Amino acid sequence: AQSVTQPDIHITVSEGASLELRCNYSYGATPYLFWYVQSPGQGLQLLLKYFSGDTLVQGIKGFEAEFKRSQSSFNLRKPSVHWSDAAEYFCAVGIYSGNTPLVFGKGTRLSVIA
Amino acid sequence: GAGVSQSPRYKVAKRGQDVALRCDPISGHVSLFWYQQALGQGPEFLTYFQNEAQLDKSGLPSDRFFAERPEGSVSTLKIQRTQQEDSAVYLCASSLVGNGGAYEQYFGPGTRLTVT
Repeated sequence: AQSVTQPDIHITVSEGASLELRCNYSYGATPYLFWYVQSPGQGLQLLLKYFSGDTLVQGIKGFEAEFKRSQSSFNLRKPSVHWSDAAEYFCAVGIYSGNTPLVFGKGTRLSVIA
Repeated sequence: GAGVSQSPRYKVAKRGQDVALRCDPISGHVSLFWYQQALGQGPEFLTYFQNEAQLDKSGLPSDRFFAERPEGSVSTLKIQRTQQEDSAVYLCASSLVGNGGAYEQYFGPGTRLTVT
């Protein structure tokens, strides 16, 4: 069965600093990988996704993520964090073929300080 | 077009009451998913529909949970005899693609259920 690990429960960064959120997955075949962001009281918004092809994917709000098969990782990055980026971030994995449920990590809460 | 909508946004139920949570997916979306998100956790899968067919209900925690999508559009998640452990945010998501192919799921704002 698939699983997703987000090792960092809470991260605090200064506004303007760079950000990297870690995600490791466990799945035997080619996964679909996603990063979602959730602001308080809101649903999940898709930041970016990886299905195939270029392993560096660009998303909305200036985020990017890199798929590394050898490390079973899909880390999320942003070069310069804005205060509005403070939220909960979830990594998720889906099965390659078929429209199937996503398996989510437990999330990383991002705080941004001035 | 409108996104996924859910109602009510907040529901307080006394233990033992029945509740019904509604999800309106994006028009034309074939697949519909329900997830449960406990406080401080990631969403966990409950059940999945393709059109009106419930293809997977392996995530429903007990037989008190029941979901339906009779006309392949709106879905209702019903919880009978609610317990305190049912307190969570219930998220609905829909996607355009049926079996096979790349897809992404669009999430609604969720219904926060509090059982007292």
